[in-house]
Amino acid sequence: DAKTTQPPSMDCAEGRAANLPCNHSTISGNEYVYWYRQIHSQGPQYIIHGLKNNETNEMASLIITEDRKSSTLILPHATLRDTAVYYCIVRVYNAGNMLTFGGGTRLMVKP
Amino acid sequence: NAGVTQTPKFQVLKTGQSMTLQCAQDMNHEYMSWYRQDPGMGLRLIHYSVGAGITDQGEVPNGYNVSRSTTEDFPLRLLSAAPSQTSVYFCASRPGGAFGTEAFFGQGTRLTVV
Repeated sequence: DAKTTQPPSMDCAEGRAANLPCNHSTISGNEYVYWYRQIHSQGPQYIIHGLKNNETNEMASLIITEDRKSSTLILPHATLRDTAVYYCIVRVYNAGNMLTFGGGTRLMVKP
Repeated sequence: NAGVTQTPKFQVLKTGQSMTLQCAQDMNHEYMSWYRQDPGMGLRLIHYSVGAGITDQGEVPNGYNVSRSTTEDFPLRLLSAAPSQTSVYFCASRPGGAFGTEAFFGQGTRLTVV
């Protein structure tokens, strides 16, 4: 699996959009970008994934650059409950291998 | 549905003791896995299974055993607990096959070895 690089921490004002970047310059053509988050000490929670097109669901949007070497997770209207560690993971879609977590980005949403 | 259930939620062991962390899922998922998370760190894969009767090692398998006799259950055994195994343990499951995407995690077992 390709490695990812994320900033260790970010702040965001409540109600504003949170834009979390992820670099994955060694990504292969068959590797997807996944985002998970971990609130406090709970189990990680799936957010969204994509291959090369931008994706949106009820939680967030995922913007992947055309060369696929980086991506951005967007929380459109961050709330205090979005304070968490966000993990960007790159992996092959259909492999039997499991998720590999890096250090993630600690997002602090402030009132 | 309960999702992924881990028991116990908290456990204190003495060095050298053995124990089994339980993990059960009711979603009929093929893939199950165990992770550990040390303070301030990301999750590291211990063992995983792609189906009943099939297990494989992850990044940090030493000191742990697993078995998968049923689709639902994937217990993690600590053979002889050491202080270095003090951690939070998470079990996860996800569907197999071409459409397997989202992984579901349990709420964790917080283990302290003294």
